[in-house]
Amino acid sequence: GENVEQHPSTLSVQEGDSAVIKCTYSDSASNYFPWYKQELGKRPQLIIDIRSNVGEKKDQRIAVTLNKTAKHFSLHITETQPEDSAVYFCAASKGGNKLVFGAGTILRVKS
Amino acid sequence: SAVISQKPSRDICQRGTSLTIQCQVDSQVTMMFWYRQQPGQSLTLIATANQGSEATYESGFVIDKFPISRPNLTFSTLTVSNMSPEDSSIYLCSARTGAANYGYTFGSGTRLTVV
Repeated sequence: GENVEQHPSTLSVQEGDSAVIKCTYSDSASNYFPWYKQELGKRPQLIIDIRSNVGEKKDQRIAVTLNKTAKHFSLHITETQPEDSAVYFCAASKGGNKLVFGAGTILRVKS
Repeated sequence: SAVISQKPSRDICQRGTSLTIQCQVDSQVTMMFWYRQQPGQSLTLIATANQGSEATYESGFVIDKFPISRPNLTFSTLTVSNMSPEDSSIYLCSARTGAANYGYTFGSGTRLTVV
């Protein structure tokens, strides 16, 4: 089955700097890759997603890139702010079925 | 996007008892998913619930321990049976609520403590 690996497990950046979180997946048939932000005690919230027919997608300060050949995708957050501090999860899905999650990245933005 | 209501939000239960968690979606969805999230950990899929058929369980999870109902296209329940302290966790339901973009939405979660 699908396996998703996520790095780093923790990431500390200074406010205003960029943050990059990387994930790799094992199943080449996976075609949907969302990123979720989870604040303490809250449900995961979708922040951006990408499908396999697209190489990059951007939404304001957040972007996701996908390399199908290498089977990896990355989340890029620019101009980080303290409110970006949270746990971020990548995930992969095949054909709209179950999501398989990475282990998560704790992002701390220091002001 | 769709809204998923989940209840209870939290509960403290005695070992050996069972707890049923409910999720209601404000639109019809084909598949619903049940996850467990242990403290400081990622989300682990327990099972996929399709309306009109038996749930599909992931490795390490069995129907006797986590029976699931899916009586219609907007509702599902997960029961945690014969609980032990190791079942203390957050349980989340999810549904694919975006037909075009595969968007998945989560319920607010149930924080279960077994004493």
